[in-house]
Amino acid sequence: GAGVSQTPSNKVTEKGKYVELRCDPISGHTALYWYRQSLGQGPEFLIYFQGTGAADDSGLPNDRFFAVRPEGSVSTLKIQRTERGDSAVYLCASSPTGNEQFFGPGTRLTVL
Amino acid sequence: AQSVSQHNHHVILSEAASLELGCNYSYGGTVNLFWYVQYPGQHLQLLLKYFSGDPLVKGIKGFEAEFIKSKFSFNLRKPSVQWSDTAEYFCAVRSNNAGNMLTFGGGTRLMVKP
Repeated sequence: GAGVSQTPSNKVTEKGKYVELRCDPISGHTALYWYRQSLGQGPEFLIYFQGTGAADDSGLPNDRFFAVRPEGSVSTLKIQRTERGDSAVYLCASSPTGNEQFFGPGTRLTVL
Repeated sequence: AQSVSQHNHHVILSEAASLELGCNYSYGGTVNLFWYVQYPGQHLQLLLKYFSGDPLVKGIKGFEAEFIKSKFSFNLRKPSVQWSDTAEYFCAVRSNNAGNMLTFGGGTRLMVKP
Protein backbone atom coordinates (compact mmCIF):
# COMPACT_ATOMS: atom_id res chain seq x y z
CA GLY A 1 0.00 0.00 0.00
CA ALA A 2 0.94 3.65 -0.20
CA GLY A 3 3.37 4.93 2.37
CA VAL A 4 3.79 8.37 3.87
CA SER A 5 4.30 10.97 1.18
CA GLN A 6 5.78 14.44 1.51
CA THR A 7 5.78 17.36 -0.86
CA PRO A 8 7.79 19.02 -2.14
CA SER A 9 10.81 16.75 -2.08
CA ASN A 10 13.08 19.77 -2.29
CA LYS A 11 12.42 23.41 -1.45
CA VAL A 12 14.85 26.26 -1.96
CA THR A 13 13.86 29.62 -0.53
CA GLU A 14 15.40 32.89 0.46
CA LYS A 15 15.96 34.08 3.98
CA GLY A 16 12.87 35.77 5.35
CA LYS A 17 10.38 33.95 3.14
CA TYR A 18 7.46 31.79 4.25
CA VAL A 19 7.31 28.08 3.40
CA GLU A 20 4.80 25.28 3.75
CA LEU A 21 5.69 21.61 3.80
CA ARG A 22 3.02 18.98 3.31
CA CYS A 23 2.65 15.47 4.69
CA ASP A 24 0.16 12.82 3.58
CA PRO A 25 0.13 10.04 6.17
CA ILE A 26 -0.79 6.42 5.61
CA SER A 27 -4.56 6.15 5.36
CA GLY A 28 -6.17 5.44 8.71
CA HIS A 29 -3.15 6.42 10.81
CA THR A 30 -4.36 8.70 13.58
CA ALA A 31 -0.94 9.73 14.89
CA LEU A 32 1.31 12.03 12.86
CA TYR A 33 4.77 13.33 13.74
CA TRP A 34 7.14 15.94 12.35
CA TYR A 35 10.89 15.66 12.83
CA ARG A 36 13.82 17.72 11.57
CA GLN A 37 17.14 16.19 10.56
CA SER A 38 20.16 18.41 10.21
CA LEU A 39 23.24 17.27 8.33
CA GLY A 40 25.15 14.58 10.18
CA GLN A 41 22.58 14.26 12.96
CA GLY A 42 19.65 12.07 13.85
CA PRO A 43 16.08 13.26 13.47
CA GLU A 44 14.81 15.64 16.18
CA PHE A 45 11.18 15.74 17.24
CA LEU A 46 9.13 18.81 16.41
CA ILE A 47 5.43 18.11 16.94
CA TYR A 48 2.97 15.24 17.35
CA PHE A 49 -0.70 15.13 16.34
CA GLN A 50 -3.31 12.71 17.57
CA GLY A 51 -6.21 13.24 15.21
CA THR A 52 -6.67 16.93 14.53
CA GLY A 53 -5.07 18.24 17.69
CA ALA A 54 -1.44 18.84 18.50
CA ALA A 55 -0.84 16.53 21.44
CA ASP A 56 2.75 17.64 21.93
CA ASP A 57 4.45 20.62 20.29
CA SER A 58 7.36 20.80 22.71
CA GLY A 59 9.92 20.28 19.95
CA LEU A 60 9.04 23.34 17.88
CA PRO A 61 12.13 25.57 18.13
CA ASN A 62 10.31 28.91 18.23
CA ASP A 63 7.11 30.67 17.25
CA ARG A 64 8.13 30.90 13.60
CA PHE A 65 7.21 27.23 13.32
CA PHE A 66 3.59 26.10 13.24
CA ALA A 67 1.79 22.95 12.07
CA VAL A 68 -1.81 22.07 11.39
CA ARG A 69 -3.82 18.96 10.67
CA PRO A 70 -7.35 20.33 10.21
CA GLU A 71 -9.12 17.13 9.14
CA GLY A 72 -7.02 14.59 10.95
CA SER A 73 -5.22 13.41 7.85
CA VAL A 74 -2.92 15.70 5.82
CA SER A 75 -0.64 17.95 7.84
CA THR A 76 1.18 21.12 6.88
CA LEU A 77 4.29 22.43 8.61
CA LYS A 78 4.58 26.18 8.23
CA ILE A 79 7.75 28.19 8.75
CA GLN A 80 7.64 31.98 8.80
CA ARG A 81 10.56 34.33 8.21
CA THR A 82 12.89 31.48 7.34
CA GLU A 83 16.50 31.62 8.49
CA ARG A 84 19.57 29.87 7.13
CA GLY A 85 19.62 27.71 10.26
CA ASP A 86 16.25 26.26 9.27
CA SER A 87 17.94 24.39 6.42
CA ALA A 88 17.43 20.67 7.07
CA VAL A 89 15.44 17.65 5.98
CA TYR A 90 11.95 17.76 7.45
CA LEU A 91 10.56 14.28 8.07
CA CYS A 92 6.99 13.23 8.63
CA ALA A 93 5.92 9.94 10.20
CA SER A 94 2.56 8.36 10.89
CA SER A 95 1.41 5.59 13.15
CA PRO A 96 -1.81 3.65 13.68
CA THR A 97 -1.29 3.23 17.39
CA GLY A 98 1.55 5.46 18.47
CA ASN A 99 3.93 2.52 18.62
CA GLU A 100 5.74 1.91 15.35
CA GLN A 101 6.23 5.03 13.25
CA PHE A 102 6.41 4.92 9.44
CA PHE A 103 8.51 7.64 7.89
CA GLY A 104 8.13 9.55 4.67
CA PRO A 105 10.99 10.47 2.32
CA GLY A 106 11.33 13.96 3.76
CA THR A 107 11.47 17.47 2.34
CA ARG A 108 14.91 18.97 1.96
CA LEU A 109 14.64 22.67 2.80
CA THR A 110 17.46 25.00 1.79
CA VAL A 111 17.34 28.60 2.95
CA LEU A 112 19.73 30.83 1.01
CA ALA B 1 15.56 14.89 29.21
CA GLN B 2 16.22 11.58 27.59
CA SER B 3 19.13 11.17 25.21
CA VAL B 4 20.50 8.46 22.95
CA SER B 5 24.18 7.93 22.20
CA GLN B 6 25.62 6.00 19.30
CA HIS B 7 29.31 5.56 19.87
CA ASN B 8 30.47 4.89 16.34
CA HIS B 9 29.85 7.60 13.77
CA HIS B 10 31.51 5.78 10.89
CA VAL B 11 32.21 2.07 10.50
CA ILE B 12 33.93 0.42 7.57
CA LEU B 13 33.82 -3.36 7.23
CA SER B 14 34.58 -5.95 4.63
CA GLU B 15 31.88 -8.32 3.47
CA ALA B 16 31.30 -11.29 5.82
CA ALA B 17 32.67 -9.40 8.81
CA SER B 18 30.59 -9.28 11.95
CA LEU B 19 28.88 -6.06 12.97
CA GLU B 20 28.02 -4.56 16.31
CA LEU B 21 26.76 -0.99 16.63
CA GLY B 22 26.47 0.47 20.09
CA CYS B 23 23.47 2.35 21.43
CA ASN B 24 23.03 3.70 24.96
CA TYR B 25 20.17 5.76 26.29
CA SER B 26 19.73 7.82 29.39
CA TYR B 27 16.35 7.26 30.89
CA GLY B 28 15.28 5.16 33.83
CA GLY B 29 11.64 4.57 33.08
CA THR B 30 9.94 2.07 30.82
CA VAL B 31 11.21 2.43 27.28
CA ASN B 32 10.51 1.14 23.80
CA LEU B 33 13.61 0.76 21.65
CA PHE B 34 14.05 0.85 17.90
CA TRP B 35 16.68 0.57 15.21
CA TYR B 36 15.98 2.32 11.92
CA VAL B 37 18.04 2.07 8.74
CA GLN B 38 18.36 4.58 5.93
CA TYR B 39 19.76 3.16 2.68
CA PRO B 40 21.30 5.66 0.25
CA GLY B 41 18.56 7.74 -1.34
CA GLN B 42 15.79 6.07 0.63
CA HIS B 43 13.69 6.97 3.65
CA LEU B 44 14.01 5.66 7.19
CA GLN B 45 12.84 2.07 7.58
CA LEU B 46 12.31 0.07 10.74
CA LEU B 47 14.84 -2.74 11.26
CA LEU B 48 13.60 -4.02 14.60
CA LYS B 49 11.94 -2.96 17.81
CA TYR B 50 11.75 -3.93 21.47
CA PHE B 51 8.68 -3.34 23.60
CA SER B 52 8.78 -6.12 26.20
CA GLY B 53 9.55 -9.80 26.65
CA ASP B 54 12.62 -11.54 25.28
CA PRO B 55 15.43 -8.96 25.34
CA LEU B 56 17.01 -10.51 22.24
CA VAL B 57 15.09 -9.17 19.28
CA LYS B 58 15.30 -10.49 15.74
CA GLY B 59 14.73 -8.08 12.88
CA ILE B 60 14.75 -8.09 9.12
CA LYS B 61 17.74 -8.98 6.94
CA GLY B 62 19.48 -11.01 9.65
CA PHE B 63 19.84 -8.17 12.15
CA GLU B 64 19.29 -8.61 15.86
CA ALA B 65 19.59 -6.44 18.93
CA GLU B 66 19.87 -7.12 22.62
CA PHE B 67 18.27 -4.98 25.29
CA ILE B 68 20.39 -4.92 28.45
CA LYS B 69 18.41 -2.92 30.98
CA SER B 70 21.21 -2.72 33.54
CA LYS B 71 23.48 -1.13 30.95
CA PHE B 72 20.82 1.06 29.32
CA SER B 73 21.96 -0.43 26.01
CA PHE B 74 20.37 -1.76 22.85
CA ASN B 75 23.23 -2.80 20.58
CA LEU B 76 22.62 -3.89 17.00
CA ARG B 77 24.37 -6.97 15.63
CA LYS B 78 24.71 -8.93 12.44
CA PRO B 79 26.99 -11.99 12.17
CA SER B 80 28.00 -11.46 8.55
CA VAL B 81 27.44 -8.18 6.71
CA GLN B 82 26.84 -7.78 3.01
CA TRP B 83 27.66 -4.93 0.65
CA SER B 84 23.93 -4.16 0.54
CA ASP B 85 24.00 -3.34 4.27
CA THR B 86 25.81 -0.09 3.44
CA ALA B 87 23.54 2.50 5.02
CA GLU B 88 23.09 4.80 7.99
CA TYR B 89 21.69 3.22 11.14
CA PHE B 90 19.77 5.09 13.83
CA CYS B 91 18.90 3.94 17.32
CA ALA B 92 15.74 5.50 18.82
CA VAL B 93 13.99 5.44 22.16
CA ARG B 94 10.46 6.22 23.23
CA SER B 95 9.79 6.51 26.93
CA ASN B 96 6.38 6.18 28.52
CA ASN B 97 6.86 9.38 30.45
CA ALA B 98 8.03 11.55 27.56
CA GLY B 99 5.14 11.37 25.17
CA ASN B 100 4.96 9.51 21.94
CA MET B 101 7.93 11.01 20.18
CA LEU B 102 11.11 9.15 19.34
CA THR B 103 14.47 10.39 20.53
CA PHE B 104 17.15 9.42 18.02
CA GLY B 105 20.85 8.91 18.31
CA GLY B 106 23.19 10.70 15.95
CA GLY B 107 23.43 7.74 13.59
CA THR B 108 26.20 5.40 12.46
CA ARG B 109 27.25 5.41 8.84
CA LEU B 110 28.23 1.88 7.80
CA MET B 111 30.20 1.18 4.67
CA VAL B 112 30.67 -2.44 3.62
CA LYS B 113 33.45 -3.02 1.13
CA PRO B 114 32.84 -5.78 -1.42
